[in-house]
Amino acid sequence: DAGVTQSPTHLIKTRGQQVTLRCSPKSGHDTVSWYQQALGQGPQFIFQYYEEEERQRGNFPDRFSGHQFPNYSSELNVNALLLGDSALYLCASSPYSYNEQFFGPGTRLTVL
Amino acid sequence: AQSVTQLDSQVPVFEEAPVELRCNYSSSVSVYLFWYVQYPNQGLQLLLKYLSGSTLVESINGFEAEFNKSQTSFHLRKPSVHISDTAEYFCAVSDGSMDSGYSTLTFGKGTMLLVSP
Repeated sequence: DAGVTQSPTHLIKTRGQQVTLRCSPKSGHDTVSWYQQALGQGPQFIFQYYEEEERQRGNFPDRFSGHQFPNYSSELNVNALLLGDSALYLCASSPYSYNEQFFGPGTRLTVL
Repeated sequence: AQSVTQLDSQVPVFEEAPVELRCNYSSSVSVYLFWYVQYPNQGLQLLLKYLSGSTLVESINGFEAEFNKSQTSFHLRKPSVHISDTAEYFCAVSDGSMDSGYSTLTFGKGTMLLVSP
């Protein structure tokens, strides 16, 4: 059984560009959350998707948007990239109403 | 709003010595508590969790943590560490309830455990 998978592994972009990160949840999981982990920091909650809708959102600007597909996979989009968006982006999945989240390996985004 | 404080950014320790990684949280509601471990260039792995019941929880690799509601703490301990325990450890609190179904995690800044021979 594959766990949470994320693509790509690494990504390099320049300021002002747009980026899309992808996540496939663990089999049987229908809820996907995204976190941003800046260097030397703990992960920070971006948003959570369930039933193809954004259910909760952290303190992130509208440049961060997402989507969930009928097969529960999810995308994170970031527009108008800033240097400060450089981070490890983690996807986590869980069954609905279950408190344990399972994390993927992350996508390392570098903005130059 | 909830918050998690991990007082030590780095804890150096010799192999086979005991270790305690400290975690304090603040919350106005009931919480669920977690410890995650992150090895270099990897994602987060759940080490152990407290949801309810016994306040002492254990992992399969010898770590344990005790939920102390009066001190709002969830410190992680291991009586004898190995070189392979070298990693970043994150304490996290969940602000969701089983009723709401929307469980999100608030993390501390992490503690780097450095085990040397």
